[in-house]
Amino acid sequence: DAKTTQPNSMESNEEEPVHLPCNHSTISGTDYIHWYRQLPSQGPEYVIHGLTSNVNNRMASLAIAEDRKSSTLILHRATLRDAAVYYCILRGDYGGSQGNLIFGKGTKLSVKP
Amino acid sequence: DAGITQSPRHKVTETGTPVTLRCHQTENHRYMYWYRQDPGHGLRLIHYSYGVKDTDKGEVSDGYSVSRSKTEDFLLTLESATSSQTSVYFCAISESPGSNYGYTFGSGTRLTVV
Repeated sequence: DAKTTQPNSMESNEEEPVHLPCNHSTISGTDYIHWYRQLPSQGPEYVIHGLTSNVNNRMASLAIAEDRKSSTLILHRATLRDAAVYYCILRGDYGGSQGNLIFGKGTKLSVKP
Repeated sequence: DAGITQSPRHKVTETGTPVTLRCHQTENHRYMYWYRQDPGHGLRLIHYSYGVKDTDKGEVSDGYSVSRSKTEDFLLTLESATSSQTSVYFCAISESPGSNYGYTFGSGTRLTVV
């Protein structure tokens, strides 16, 4: 799977928006951009995914650059519960391991009251 | 986590003993996965299953075996536990391996081998 680059850590204030960036300059045309997060002592949790167009759901929004070489996960109003490690993952139909998710180190988001 | 449970949640075992971890799902998803998570390595795939009795190896399969006799259960066995297998183990399920589908993860099993 193509590689993603994320900042190691970010800080946010409670009730403010948070923009988590992800660079994926080697993305292929069929790669989907997935975001997961992992709260302390829990398993990863699916957040959102998209291909080309911006996507919104109840948890977050995903803004994808026009050239698809970068994307941004947007949390509209951070809460203390949003403190987690956020993973940006590219998924393509490469075969093998039946679509295995490959996790990098992610971005550790801290939220201050 | 809705639809997927792992048991036990915590286990301490001695080196050389066999250990079996269980993943149970109620979503009727065909695909199931076992990952381990260690500091500095992130999540790594151990084994996966693409149907009853259909399994294959992942990135770090040495020392592990799996079985899937029913759609809802995926078992991970450490035949002879070693200290290097101390880790947090996560099970995941997916409706499809396609890139337009997400995974649902369990809450994890923390295994300590002493």
